[in-house]
Amino acid sequence: AQKVTQAQTEISVVEKEDVTLDCVYETRDTTYYLFWYKQPPSGELVFLIRRNSFDEQNEISGRYSWNFQKSTSSFNFTITASQVVDSAVYFCALSEAWKTGTASKLTFGTGTRLQVTL
Amino acid sequence: DTGVSQNPRHKITKRGQNVTFRCDPISEHNRLYWYRQTLGQGPEFLTYFQNEAQLEKSRLLSDRFSAERPKGSFSTLEIQRTEQGDSAMYLCASSLALSGGPYEQYFGPGTRLTVT
Repeated sequence: AQKVTQAQTEISVVEKEDVTLDCVYETRDTTYYLFWYKQPPSGELVFLIRRNSFDEQNEISGRYSWNFQKSTSSFNFTITASQVVDSAVYFCALSEAWKTGTASKLTFGTGTRLQVTL
Repeated sequence: DTGVSQNPRHKITKRGQNVTFRCDPISEHNRLYWYRQTLGQGPEFLTYFQNEAQLEKSRLLSDRFSAERPKGSFSTLEIQRTEQGDSAMYLCASSLALSGGPYEQYFGPGTRLTVT
């Protein structure tokens, strides 16, 4: 069975600090996909990034960066120079792909609430 | 390009009543998913469709829950004989599934159900 663990329930930082959100996953599948979603106070989940299990290259998008390490089954998310608008709940999710070769249902972690203050 | 829409946004019902929610996916998306989210938790998968075929249902989905996607476009989720434990946010997502593609899911705003 697949499982995603986000051990950090809540993180508070002051604006301009860097912050890393941890994600550890479990799967028996060799082909899988990992995702990060943001859920702002408005409630709608916003897609941020996906990685497949064969691509361990780290990715940077503006102030966001992701570190995928298969050896430790982790897919961590770093926000550089955080801003108040980054305040939200962030979810890590996993989709196994052994049945169809494509991602299907998502298994989410319990989320990390990030509070950025001035 | 319009996103995923869900109706109603809020529903308050009495225990024992039936409720139905609707989801309209992004128009070119062939997959449609239903999830349920309770306070402080991540979304939990309920079921999904590829076109009009229901491909998988979670064991969480009791017999009181049924979902349809009759023409491969919009979908409905019905809960019969609602219970207080059904109170949650019901989320719909859609994606484009083609061979070789993971294609991320895009979520709607959700329907918040309160069972009194």
